[in-house]
Formats: sequence, structure tokens, C-alpha cells
Amino acid sequence: DGGITQSPKYLFRKEGQNVTLSCEQNLNHDAMYWYRQDPGQGLRLIYYSQIVNDFQKGDIAEGYSVSREKKESFPLTVTSAQKNPTAFYLCASSIPPAGPEAFFGQGTRLTVV
Amino acid sequence: KNEVEQSPQNLTAQEGEFITINCSYSVGISALHWLQQHPGGGIVSLFMLSSGKKKHGRLIATINIQEKHSSLHITASHPRDSAVYICAVSGNQFYFGTGTSLTVIP
Repeated sequence: DGGITQSPKYLFRKEGQNVTLSCEQNLNHDAMYWYRQDPGQGLRLIYYSQIVNDFQKGDIAEGYSVSREKKESFPLTVTSAQKNPTAFYLCASSIPPAGPEAFFGQGTRLTVV
Repeated sequence: KNEVEQSPQNLTAQEGEFITINCSYSVGISALHWLQQHPGGGIVSLFMLSSGKKKHGRLIATINIQEKHSSLHITASHPRDSAVYICAVSGNQFYFGTGTSLTVIP
């Protein structure tokens, strides 16, 4: 079955450490996205990529980095520069960008202590 | 201004009640999505709609493209339906509502 997989579901890290969240899809989707959700708030766009080797900043990109070396994979690194990294992170993919065929991962809940 | 508005923000129902959650949007879309998120849990995609109506078990989703409005209905609600329900639209990017927190009391 085709789908989008985020791992792990829960992640704990010490303050000051970089951490990478995984997002893999086998849907042959060109576009992939990362969103962040804080308690009681809506989802906000961190980064998106419409093709391999290209990506753009979203609304809250500071303190995050991404890569898109393969069509299937769009990992998100939460760097030590991110002041409030504890949040829920959601990955999505679609074809065409934000098009009618869109799938969402189950999310990763990151807690930094 | 939010591109996607949901109502109500919070909803409490007795087990067995019929529930409706509404979503209005202001942008052009290619599809609308209903997502479910249990407390402390991940996201589950319930429906993806571009027209008409879809049904899955006790859940029904409808969309009116002309009115830019969608509804999610839950028939015979159950405590396990307690979750946050999020409306999202695909336009030139994704836009998300802030969610409706549903609590179903036994």
C-alpha cells in the first residue's frame, strides 16, 4: 500500500541537541511539506519542496533545516537554534503541489527536555 | 484572516447523538481534507473530498464547492470519537483550520 511514513511517533531529546525527523513516501509525489503544531493552535508551514533538490521556507523556518536528495524522502532537522522545539510535527505530500491527491503522515511528537 | 474557519471550536455530546462540524474556506481549492487527532496522538486522514459526499462507517463528509463549505457528520456518536477534528484544504498550498475538539460523554 502506498503511503507516507513519519518516524518515530514520539521523540525525546536534550536541549541543545540537533534532531532529525524522518518523512518517507512511496506515492511518487513531487511535493512534500513539513508543518508544526503547538498546543491549542493550528498547523503552520515550516518548509516545503516541490521537486528533488529544491525547497522553500514556509512561515516559521527559523531554527529548522531540510534536504530533498530523493523524491521519497524529506527529512526535517530541528537545530539547537530553534528556541521552542517541543511540538507536534506533521509531514504531508501531494501531486501536484497541494493538489487533489494529498496524504498526511501520522506525525511526530517531539519533546525537548 | 484565516483561510479556513471551523465551527464549533469545542463540542460536547452525549453518546448516541448526531454531531456536525462545519468548515468554511475562502481560497480556491482542489480538495478538502478532514483529519482526526486523538489527544497526544497522531493524525489520521478521514476523508479527501473535491465534490459531493463521502461516507465511511458512521462518518459522512459533504462539500459544497459553490458555497465553499464542508460538513463532517458523525452518526451515533461514541466516546471513542472524542478527538480533535481538523479541516484542511489544498489550494496553491495547504491551509488548516484550528480544529474542533469533540468530547463524547458516555
